[in-house]
Amino acid sequence: GAGVSQSPRYKVAKRGQDVALRCDPISGHVSLFWYQQALGQGPEFLTYFQNEAQLDKSGLPSDRFFAERPEGSVSTLKIQRTQQEDSAVYLCASNQPTGKGHIEQFFGPGTRLTVL
Amino acid sequence: LAKTTQPISMDSYEGQEVNITCSHNNIATNDYITWYQQFPSQGPRFIIQGYKTKVTNEVASLFIPADRKSSTLSLPRVSLSDTAVYYCLVGAFYNQGGKLIFGQGTELSVKP
Repeated sequence: GAGVSQSPRYKVAKRGQDVALRCDPISGHVSLFWYQQALGQGPEFLTYFQNEAQLDKSGLPSDRFFAERPEGSVSTLKIQRTQQEDSAVYLCASNQPTGKGHIEQFFGPGTRLTVL
Repeated sequence: LAKTTQPISMDSYEGQEVNITCSHNNIATNDYITWYQQFPSQGPRFIIQGYKTKVTNEVASLFIPADRKSSTLSLPRVSLSDTAVYYCLVGAFYNQGGKLIFGQGTELSVKP
């Protein structure tokens, strides 16, 4: 497709359930990012991949959060034993870095996770 | 990382020019100034980026004074569809592995 896609768009989970959120980046984009956006706030960085390598996971809020990108394209963000505070929109973005200036990141529509 | 300050919200009417100012007093030499736009239920979208002086594209203009401690995003003749949250970001993002640091943004409401 032409843009970043994410699935599902909406997810409702009961507290304690595990969830998996999928991101399909723009074809050929080397870099992939996950962000978490709470209601009324700006997105907050979670983790960053360059191809299949996870180079920065400093933003993951706890060890219940896990992300992977095994073949350097599709990525999955997994949240184990979900808690109510995990309720947020999870955004995925991708780009092709050139190492100079700011390189535009292309965002998907996000997955809205609601934990009951 | 340079901290940014921008108004929480702004109101405007269709056809007016809207200027959103962002303060970034501790901007570093290598930092760029970048603006993103976010519509409800969508991810942010890049609008414009600049380093100094003025930058213009088909969507907006970005004015940066010589001291670079602030910047102003200018949206000409806004329409209802420009209602969105606008984020000012400052950083040499490629040095940070490219991750973006968002603030709270400015919620622009355009009225008929």
